[in-house]
Amino acid sequence: DAGVTQSPTHLIKTRGQQVTLRCSPISGHKSVSWYQQVLGQGPQFIFQYYEKEERGRGNFPDRFSARQFPNYSSELNVNALLLGDSALYLCASSLAGGASYNEQFFGPGTRLTVL
Amino acid sequence: RKEVEQDPGPFNVPEGATVAFNCTYSNSASQSFFWYRQDCRKEPKLLMSVYSSGNEDGRFTAQLNRASQYISLLIRDSKLSDSATYLCVALYGGSQGNLIFGKGTKLSVKP
Repeated sequence: DAGVTQSPTHLIKTRGQQVTLRCSPISGHKSVSWYQQVLGQGPQFIFQYYEKEERGRGNFPDRFSARQFPNYSSELNVNALLLGDSALYLCASSLAGGASYNEQFFGPGTRLTVL
Repeated sequence: RKEVEQDPGPFNVPEGATVAFNCTYSNSASQSFFWYRQDCRKEPKLLMSVYSSGNEDGRFTAQLNRASQYISLLIRDSKLSDSATYLCVALYGGSQGNLIFGKGTKLSVKP
């Protein structure tokens, strides 16, 4: 079975540009979360979506937005890029729902470089 | 203060050594804890969950002390393939909440 897939794998943008990153969850998974991992740091939570609704938001500016589609895939958008947005953007999917924790499985990430 | 703090290392140990990683968390409302492993330029992968009673998986032992808000990971008889960054993780916001990661501790196992 395919794991979480993300596209593109690498991306180079310049300051002020906009970027859209894409994520396809594991088949059957309904929840998608986005994380930003700056070099030398652990991943930092950006958004969580479940059944197309935003379920959680981390401490990121409004330049960051996301959405989830009926097929549970998701997009992360970042506007007005800054040099500090250079990072590995990770998508994680999980079954979600229910009272017990459902493991989040991470995709390989999109490495964004802002020049 | 960071919500999850851990020693960044690096820890450089010889094969066969026993190595221990420690982690503290600040939010007592957190319900679940994990250790993730991340290889260089790869995504994080779940290594093991951490329970108050302690849990063991082969050479790996994890322990949680809720009173001290302290989590540990012990690796015995370390292998070259254990070289990676180990991330301490807390789950916030209920069973379907989000993961809060520490900065990670880098481990290098040498021959």
